[in-house]
Amino acid sequence: DVKVTQSSRYLVKRTGEKVFLECVQDMDHENMFWYRQDPGLGLRLIYFSYDVKMKEKGDIPEGYSVSREKKERFSLILESASTNQTSMYLCASSLAGFGSPLHFGNGTRLTVT
Amino acid sequence: AQKITQTQPGMFVQEKEAVTLDCTYDTSDQSYGLFWYKQPSSGEMIFLIYQGSYDEQNATEGRYSLNFQKARKSANLVISASQLGDSAMYFCAMREFGQGAQKLVFGQGTRLTINP
Repeated sequence: DVKVTQSSRYLVKRTGEKVFLECVQDMDHENMFWYRQDPGLGLRLIYFSYDVKMKEKGDIPEGYSVSREKKERFSLILESASTNQTSMYLCASSLAGFGSPLHFGNGTRLTVT
Repeated sequence: AQKITQTQPGMFVQEKEAVTLDCTYDTSDQSYGLFWYKQPSSGEMIFLIYQGSYDEQNATEGRYSLNFQKARKSANLVISASQLGDSAMYFCAMREFGQGAQKLVFGQGTRLTINP
């Protein structure tokens, strides 16, 4: 089974802090994704990566950056956390095939105070 | 513009009844894929079923089937013989061919509650 592991289940940070959310997958998937999930809005794509060192902006990249130095690891960075970034963050990975489903981690609930 | 629309924020169904969760999508591509995911209260996202735009048959996986109506741009999920464990959030998602082909866009979700 594919395993996607997010480093923290819950995280509390202060406004202005730099925040790192880490994600590791163990199935050699080419694609990795970061979504945020908010009630009534579904999942919104922040960034994705289709190869090492490659990244593409999603629908809501403002205030975020990403890093993919190794194939199995995809990091989401909040350069200066703000209260409107309080959310559930979901990492996912998939093979490159068009019909390949995303496999998700268990999520990180981030609270910015 | 919203690419995936799920018009039912919540649904309540009696156990053992069939349930249909609506999903409409918007794309000008001829090649695209449609996915359904389940998210129980534990928070994990579980992949249920996939339908490709060129697939002639409706996709089925156990008790799940996808009612794909291409001309109407709808991809409704049908759950037969519902069970208490089907209570969850359900998300429809689409992947379009072309630039950014790997990304998946999700709808707002439908919360399904199965009553005993």
